[in-house]
Amino acid sequence: GAVVSQHPSRVICKSGTSVKIECRSLDFQATTMFWYRQFPKQSLMLMATSNEGSKATYEQGVEKDKFLINHASLTLSTLTVTSAHPEDSSFYICSASSGTGRETEAFFGQGTRLTVV
Amino acid sequence: AQKITQTQPGMFVQEKEAVTLDCTYDTSDPSYGLFWYKQPSSGEMIFLIYQGSYDQQNATEGRYSLNFQKARKSANLVISASQLGDSAMYFCAMRGGNEKLTFGTGTRLTIIP
Repeated sequence: GAVVSQHPSRVICKSGTSVKIECRSLDFQATTMFWYRQFPKQSLMLMATSNEGSKATYEQGVEKDKFLINHASLTLSTLTVTSAHPEDSSFYICSASSGTGRETEAFFGQGTRLTVV
Repeated sequence: AQKITQTQPGMFVQEKEAVTLDCTYDTSDPSYGLFWYKQPSSGEMIFLIYQGSYDQQNATEGRYSLNFQKARKSANLVISASQLGDSAMYFCAMRGGNEKLTFGTGTRLTIIP
């Protein structure tokens, strides 16, 4: 199957700093990428949808100024958590699709465990 | 709006036995796709199986099969001959007209030796 690479896998940062997470599709062009957040023992919650070359679409309740998403190319999307605080500590995971349609499989990255101290 | 319901927060199954993980869904979309993912403790999401709403036959992928009952809006995952490596969280998900994947709350499966 297709490969999506997400980095870093773990990051610890100080409160008030910003953290950038990268999501790369390695062997296909991802027209759409999705960013999810997962709290311990909970399900994945969609944060935003990014399409190459356009602004991301954020889900209700997600602060777009805090979670900056950039999808500059068909193989790379980045999520920047700005001015991180301890409550931002979570597992963030991206997924990428090569096209649209209900049957289109979403390939997931390995996830990033963010801890803000 | 789309909704996925997984009513089994946790399950314990003896090794080599078959196990069924329940999933029901609700959507107003006439066309949709149903997915199952496995999430081990490492966190990665591993795609297991896909079922399209118009597919006539139930999907199968190796030891995984999907018991799709459209009238009941259920898409249960069946794992045959369970193995210790099957221990993980399992998520049912649906993609409808808005192209977004909606996930259920998951079922933690533990295989007992």
